[in-house]
Amino acid sequence: LAKTTQPISMDSYEGQEVNITCSHNNIATNDYITWYQQFPSQGPRFIIQGYKTKVTNEVASLFIPADRKSSTLSLPRVSLSDTAVYYCLVGSRGGGSQGNLIFGKGTKLSVKP
Amino acid sequence: DSGVTQTPKHLITATGQRVTLRCSPRSGDLSVYWYQQSLDQGLQFLIQYYNGEERAKGNILERFSAQQFPDLHSELNLSSLELGDSALYFCASSAGQGRHYGYTFGSGTRLTVV
Repeated sequence: LAKTTQPISMDSYEGQEVNITCSHNNIATNDYITWYQQFPSQGPRFIIQGYKTKVTNEVASLFIPADRKSSTLSLPRVSLSDTAVYYCLVGSRGGGSQGNLIFGKGTKLSVKP
Repeated sequence: DSGVTQTPKHLITATGQRVTLRCSPRSGDLSVYWYQQSLDQGLQFLIQYYNGEERAKGNILERFSAQQFPDLHSELNLSSLELGDSALYFCASSAGQGRHYGYTFGSGTRLTVV
């Protein structure tokens, strides 16, 4: 599985856009990039997944450059409730028996008023 | 409600004891994953089952074991418990082969060993 590197922590203020970058230099051809959000004492929650270029949903955007060696999770106008740990994972997208999810330390985002 | 059900939510037990954690995957999902999260630690992958068969093993201790039953629910058995086993234990599930958009996690079981 491709190893990922992301900042340990980030601080932001309410209303700002937050961009969290993840490096995955040895990403494989069939790997997807997935981001999860975890609040204290809760299970991680899927945010967004992408393969290349840009993906957007109602929660976030994911930017992936052409070389796919990094990705950026963009959270528009964060609020206090976005304070959480954000994990970047890289792996095959296949369901069932393929792959398992190895979580790194994640990025602890603190949103201040 | 994520659709993944874990019971019990909280468990307090003494060192040396044995406990069983239960997970019911989201309807239609064939894979079940178990993770351990200790205080200030990341999520440690323990083991994966797919349609009743063990498919991948992570950092699971020999004192721990798991199984997935024909109805697809899974149990994680922890024996000879030590203080260091105190943690949140999460179960996640994913769909069978084909498209899926990530793994769905349950709300976890908080195990406290005293």
